[in-house]
Amino acid sequence: DVKVTQSSRYLVKRTGEKVFLECVQDMDHENMFWYRQDPGLGLRLIYFSYDVKMKEKGDIPEGYSVSREKKERFSLILESASTNQTSMYLCASSGPGQAHYEQYFGPGTRLTVT
Amino acid sequence: AQTVTQSQPEMSVQEAETVTLSCTYDTSESDYYLFWYKQPPSRQMILVIRQEAYKQQNATENRFSVNFQKAAKSFSLKISDSQLGDAAMYFCAYRSLLGRSNYKLTFGKGTLLTVNP
Repeated sequence: DVKVTQSSRYLVKRTGEKVFLECVQDMDHENMFWYRQDPGLGLRLIYFSYDVKMKEKGDIPEGYSVSREKKERFSLILESASTNQTSMYLCASSGPGQAHYEQYFGPGTRLTVT
Repeated sequence: AQTVTQSQPEMSVQEAETVTLSCTYDTSESDYYLFWYKQPPSRQMILVIRQEAYKQQNATENRFSVNFQKAAKSFSLKISDSQLGDAAMYFCAYRSLLGRSNYKLTFGKGTLLTVNP
């Protein structure tokens, strides 16, 4: 079974702190994704990566950056956390192109910025 | 850009009965994938069912089936013989097959399904 893990289930940070959310997948997937989930808004794509060191902006990249130095790991970075970034963050991965079109999700990190 | 609309924020069903969750989408593309994902309370999101737009036959997975109406851009999910474990947030999602967009999913806002014993 594909396993996608996220470094923390719950995280509390202060405004202005630099925050790292880590995601690791164990299926050698090329593609990895970071989503933000808010009540009434569904899931919105922040960034995705289709290969090591490759990244593309999603629908709401402002205030975020990402890093993918190794294939199995995809990090989401909040350079200076703000209260409006309080949310549930979901990581996902999928295989190459159309051959593996299912995205597998991690358990999520609920981030609170105070 | 594609959009996905789930018009029912919440639904409820009695155990053992059937419920249908609605989803409509907007696209100018002719080939794409559609998905229903399930997110149980405090648990990971999992794929329930997928439909390729080029297939006329509706997808079925055990008690889950879809009604795919391509011309109407409608993709509803039917859950038969509902079980308590079906209680979850359900998301409809669209995947383009064009360019870089084919990597990502566009989600609806979700429908929270409650199953009453």
